[in-house]
Amino acid sequence: SQTIHQWPATLVQPVGSPLSLECTVEGTSNPNLYWYRQAAGRGLQLLFYSVGIGQISSEVPQNLSASRPQDRQFILSSKKLLLSDSGFYLCAWSVPAGTQYFGPGTRLTVL
Amino acid sequence: EDQVTQSPEALRLQEGESSSLNCSYTVSGLRGLFWYRQDPGKGPEFLFTLYSAGEEKEKERLKATLTKKESFLHITAPKPEDSATYLCAVLQETSGSRLTFGEGTQLTVNP
Repeated sequence: SQTIHQWPATLVQPVGSPLSLECTVEGTSNPNLYWYRQAAGRGLQLLFYSVGIGQISSEVPQNLSASRPQDRQFILSSKKLLLSDSGFYLCAWSVPAGTQYFGPGTRLTVL
Repeated sequence: EDQVTQSPEALRLQEGESSSLNCSYTVSGLRGLFWYRQDPGKGPEFLFTLYSAGEEKEKERLKATLTKKESFLHITAPKPEDSATYLCAVLQETSGSRLTFGEGTQLTVNP
């Protein structure tokens, strides 16, 4: 069966510091991968998605970036965090146009 | 632009009190409608996918239905463990694999 992992689970970072969140998927090949952000009490905002290694589509302009160095690895990064980057970050995978399955999430607090 | 609206924003029920959650959508060419359950601090958990008007799916106390304009998530004789936020999302024919999410309905079931 497929499993999706995210780490860290929680992170507290100062404004202006760098960020790296990692997501890995097990049990499937060539998945579509997604990064979402969820503000408190709100729905999910799609940030990036990838259909293959090195292929990244950005949905929302911001100071975040994403990379996919391996088939089942998806990384969310920032060079300098802003207060507004605080939130709950979720990674998901799917087969093309299929159901998306979510990871456990990372709670990021920028102080 | 695709729109997904969920109502009510919050719902409080007594244990055993059946009710329905609504997800109305405006998309050109629906490819699929998805329901997820999200517990606080966790990633969304997939419940159902509906593909065409008239389709229904059931799981324990939950039943999802779909029309050409909306979907309902019916909860029969809910228990406190059904308390969660329920998210609805749509996949449009020309959006690739990108989902559009509603803001969710926060359900609380009191014992």
